[in-house]
Amino acid sequence: EPEVTQTPSHQVTQMGQEVILRCVPISNHLYFYWYRQILGQKVEFLVSFYNNEISEKSEIFDDQFSVERPDGSNFTLKIRSTKLEDSAMYFCASSTYGGGYQETQYFGPGTRLLVL
Amino acid sequence: RKEVEQDPGPFNVPEGATVAFNCTYSNSASQSFFWYRQDCRKEPKLLMSVYSSGNEDGRFTAQLNRASQYISLLIRDSKLSDSATYLCVVNRGNTGKLIFGQGTTLQVKP
Repeated sequence: EPEVTQTPSHQVTQMGQEVILRCVPISNHLYFYWYRQILGQKVEFLVSFYNNEISEKSEIFDDQFSVERPDGSNFTLKIRSTKLEDSAMYFCASSTYGGGYQETQYFGPGTRLLVL
Repeated sequence: RKEVEQDPGPFNVPEGATVAFNCTYSNSASQSFFWYRQDCRKEPKLLMSVYSSGNEDGRFTAQLNRASQYISLLIRDSKLSDSATYLCVVNRGNTGKLIFGQGTTLQVKP
């Protein structure tokens, strides 16, 4: 069964450093997403991406964040200057269409980011 | 007001019990509804979509009441393996943005 993969599974970084989280969406999917989950809190939408453009972003997704599809398979989330409050689990997801009725999004296993 | 609200629990039930979870959503423009399951420190996984007519998948039954903006999940004959957090999720349509509830934790005991 096709699945979304993410690397690394864990990342520890110092405050102020840049991190890049990587995802490989399911191959025939066209819409890609990043969500985050701070420990003990709910899953929160960050950004959606289609046709090499951001479709929608949340208020969390400020200028410190950027997304890119550098080649035909990878989808990345970059945090330019990490803050302590960026510590969270980051999930990548993908879907065939964006927002289709009852459309399923498939989530990757997540990258646990710890900012010290 | 939170856009998707759930009772966080935890619900502690014996094996074989029937348990029901409720969820309310605030945006009447919501179009798609789901229950996801999340095991500890793992990714959310789709349990089932929720349709207006109600739908069943084995021991799981989901109901949607659009007028009351209320979604439910019923689990019959609980198994130890059902222990997890159940996430109520909505989508307003025209965008892929999923809005998650806080989750309801279920612990099934032998």
